[in-house]
Amino acid sequence: KQEVTQIPAALSVPEGENLVLNCSFTDSAIYNLQWFRQDPGKGLTSLLLIQSSQREQTSGRLNASLDKSSGRSTLYIAASQPGDSATYLCAVRHSGAGSYQLTFGKGTKLSVIP
Amino acid sequence: EAGVAQSPRYKIIEKRQSVAFWCNPISGHATLYWYQQILGQGPKLLIQFQNNGVVDDSQLPKDRFSAERLKGVDSTLKIQPAKLEDSAVYLCASSLDLDRQVYYEQYFGPGTRLTVT
Repeated sequence: KQEVTQIPAALSVPEGENLVLNCSFTDSAIYNLQWFRQDPGKGLTSLLLIQSSQREQTSGRLNASLDKSSGRSTLYIAASQPGDSATYLCAVRHSGAGSYQLTFGKGTKLSVIP
Repeated sequence: EAGVAQSPRYKIIEKRQSVAFWCNPISGHATLYWYQQILGQGPKLLIQFQNNGVVDDSQLPKDRFSAERLKGVDSTLKIQPAKLEDSAVYLCASSLDLDRQVYYEQYFGPGTRLTVT
């Protein structure tokens, strides 16, 4: 059974700092990995999608890496801003019971202090 | 491009009552998903549709939950009767996923927050 773990569960940093969020998964047989952002009371916003054949993806101040063999991904946020405050979730796409499902971690709650 | 639409946004019911949620996916997206997100947890897949057929409902509590996707577009998720532990946010998502060779991003709606008292 695929399990996804995110460390730390919560993180508080001063504005302007660079930071790294970690995601690990137990079964390396994945199709892709997706990072999401969730604001309080809102749905999920997709940030980055990394296919299993890729090593990293970049979008603006965000960079996500994937090491499939070791079951790890990191999300790097450069020059953090108060608007980055949210919960960040990672999810892996893998084969499941009759489908290719997405399994999520519990998320890292990020607070960026002005 | 319009996003995934869901209604209602909030619902409060008493246990043993029934409730229904509606989802309209992004136009052209073949695959539709319903997730349950309990406070402090990541979303858990309940059911996945490919067009109007069910691909995976292995985690759907079928004794009380049901879902349908008529004509391969809109979908409804129903709970009957509701239990206290059903209190959660119900998220709908959609993706292109036309075949099993390439897996596209999933796009999520704003969710419906259900409180069962």
